[in-house]
Amino acid sequence: QVQLVQSGAEVKKPGASVKVSCRASGYTFSSNAMHWVRQTPGQRLEWMGWINIGNGNTRYSQKFQGRVTITRDTSASIVYMDLSSLRSEDTAVYYCARLGTLNGDFFDYWGQGTLVTVSS
Amino acid sequence: DIQMTQSPSTLSASVGDRVTITCRASQSISTWLAWYQQKPGKAPKLLIYKASSLESGVPSRFSGTGSGTEFTLTISNLQPDDFATYYCQHYLNYPLTFGGGTKVEIQ
Repeated sequence: QVQLVQSGAEVKKPGASVKVSCRASGYTFSSNAMHWVRQTPGQRLEWMGWINIGNGNTRYSQKFQGRVTITRDTSASIVYMDLSSLRSEDTAVYYCARLGTLNGDFFDYWGQGTLVTVSS
Repeated sequence: DIQMTQSPSTLSASVGDRVTITCRASQSISTWLAWYQQKPGKAPKLLIYKASSLESGVPSRFSGTGSGTEFTLTISNLQPDDFATYYCQHYLNYPLTFGGGTKVEIQ
């Protein structure tokens, strides 16, 4: 069965960076792109960007452009999301979400979420 | 960016009720719309894609309609497991955006 397992919770200081991982199993890793979505304490969902697992191409939301980097390790079936210059507003639960196998950018499987807390 | 607006933000209902949640897009998105269910402490779960296509394994009491700018998610015969928060998401273009959510709570 498809599983996306994310790394554990993080506490960071303002200005620091965080790297969250998402390990995929149960399917052919290169077959589906992977997206990152975050959920704020107010429960709002925000799309951050995605990576084409096959060729490594990425696309980011303009909101996070310059601060977010998504990479993948195909040998280990892991996708990483790196967010830099953290501020308190970046406190959120971060999810990896697999692009569905049908046409369109919707998500059929999600990781369990990683809480990132930014606090001095 | 396309804005997605859901209403109501909270809905109180009883087991067995039929409930309808509305999602409006700030511009036409054809049928490029998905619905998700989220329970506390869990990730969202895909219910419907392309406005009306039911994801495999999702009970048939869930249905979606709409096109253009107005969409609805209907849950017929509400079950105890259905008390959760529901989100719509467009995927016409980037950035992908979500509605603010509708919490379905027990009356």
